[in-house]
Amino acid sequence: GNSVTQMEGPVTLSEEAFLTINCTYTATGYPSLFWYVQYPGEGLQLLLKATKADDKGSNKGFEATYRKETTSFHLEKGSVQVSDSAVYFCALRMDSSYKLIFGSGTRLLVRP
Amino acid sequence: EPEVTQTPSHQVTQMGQEVILRCVPISNHLYFYWYRQILGQKVEFLVSFYNNEISEKSEIFDDQFSVERPDGSNFTLKIRSTKLEDSAMYFCASSERGPLAKNIQYFGAGTRLSVL
Repeated sequence: GNSVTQMEGPVTLSEEAFLTINCTYTATGYPSLFWYVQYPGEGLQLLLKATKADDKGSNKGFEATYRKETTSFHLEKGSVQVSDSAVYFCALRMDSSYKLIFGSGTRLLVRP
Repeated sequence: EPEVTQTPSHQVTQMGQEVILRCVPISNHLYFYWYRQILGQKVEFLVSFYNNEISEKSEIFDDQFSVERPDGSNFTLKIRSTKLEDSAMYFCASSERGPLAKNIQYFGAGTRLSVL
């Protein structure tokens, strides 16, 4: 079946460090891909998305590129801030379905 | 900014009791969803709802579960007879459009259900 695999956390970085959170997917077809972020005590917020191969989603300094060849959608940010500390979820959705399929989430801790 | 609102934030119940989790979706949205996350596990889809009927459901969503839009603003998830394994964070979501369009799902902060 369709699934998403994320790197295990927590990921601990110092402020201004470069961030990569790996995400790969398995799907029969070409899904839309998403990154959601969950700050403490809050719901899941859409961070960025890409709907077809080679699309780059970007928001708040975060970027991810839909790579069909490697079935990946890695999240990157050039310089993290303490306020980026949160749990990040990679997800996919097939066009024929309402269902978002999530990865297990990666907790990011950014130290001052 | 419009948001999805869920109440209560934490619900404690005894095994075998019925619970109703409530959600107020974003006002112009037409598609509604419930997901859950058991502690330490992935966020899992339960059900989607459109035009007053279930449009898709997972194998988790058995006869113990039901959903309803009782009025123009609320969307509820009912668990008829709770089990210990129903303890989880339940997320409500809504979207303006369906799966074949630009479907962006907006999530609430969740209701933590604890079954004792």
